[in-house]
Amino acid sequence: LAKTTQPISMDSYEGQEVNITCSHNNIATNDYITWYQQFPSQGPRFIIQGYKTKVTNEVASLFIPADRKSSTLSLPRVSLSDTAVYYCLVVGAGSYQLTFGKGTKLSVIP
Amino acid sequence: DTAVSQTPKYLVTQMGNDKSIKCEQNLGHDTMYWYKQDSKKFLKIMFSYNNKELIINETVPNRFSPKSPDKAHLNLHINSLELGDSAVYFCASSRQAGGRADTQYFGPGTRLTVL
Repeated sequence: LAKTTQPISMDSYEGQEVNITCSHNNIATNDYITWYQQFPSQGPRFIIQGYKTKVTNEVASLFIPADRKSSTLSLPRVSLSDTAVYYCLVVGAGSYQLTFGKGTKLSVIP
Repeated sequence: DTAVSQTPKYLVTQMGNDKSIKCEQNLGHDTMYWYKQDSKKFLKIMFSYNNKELIINETVPNRFSPKSPDKAHLNLHINSLELGDSAVYFCASSRQAGGRADTQYFGPGTRLTVL
């Protein structure tokens, strides 16, 4: 299972764009990059998943360079409700197993 | 409608007791999981069932026994509870995709406190 490294914590003001970078140097060819969000006292929630280049949905964008050794989760114009822990995971295609790291604790400041 | 539900939400019990946590999903998924999140917030998989068959069994004390009566339910029974079992336990489910890595849907968690 590919190991991921991401910052332990980040602070941002409301309305700013937040970029959280994750490194996964030993990602395998069949692996996908997946991000989950966890609010206090709740279970993790899927945000976005990608394999290469750029993926965008209504919540976030995911940028993956050609070598796929890192990825960046971009949250546009964050609000206080985006305060949460964000987990970067590398998951093999067809794999059942999710391995969660420490995640990045994002604190949005008014 | 709640997709993945767990009962109870809170469980406080004495050391040595036996307790169960129940999980149900109404998403029609084939695969269900149990995760443990400890006080340091590390989230670790414990078990996974696919169509009532055990497919993941991580290094977990055999005091923990999962039971899946049907593919919509996965219960967790814990015997002889210890202080170190105090944690939040999350149930999750996913489709059996076989292709790209599949999204897991998590329940609200059960906070277990062993006194």
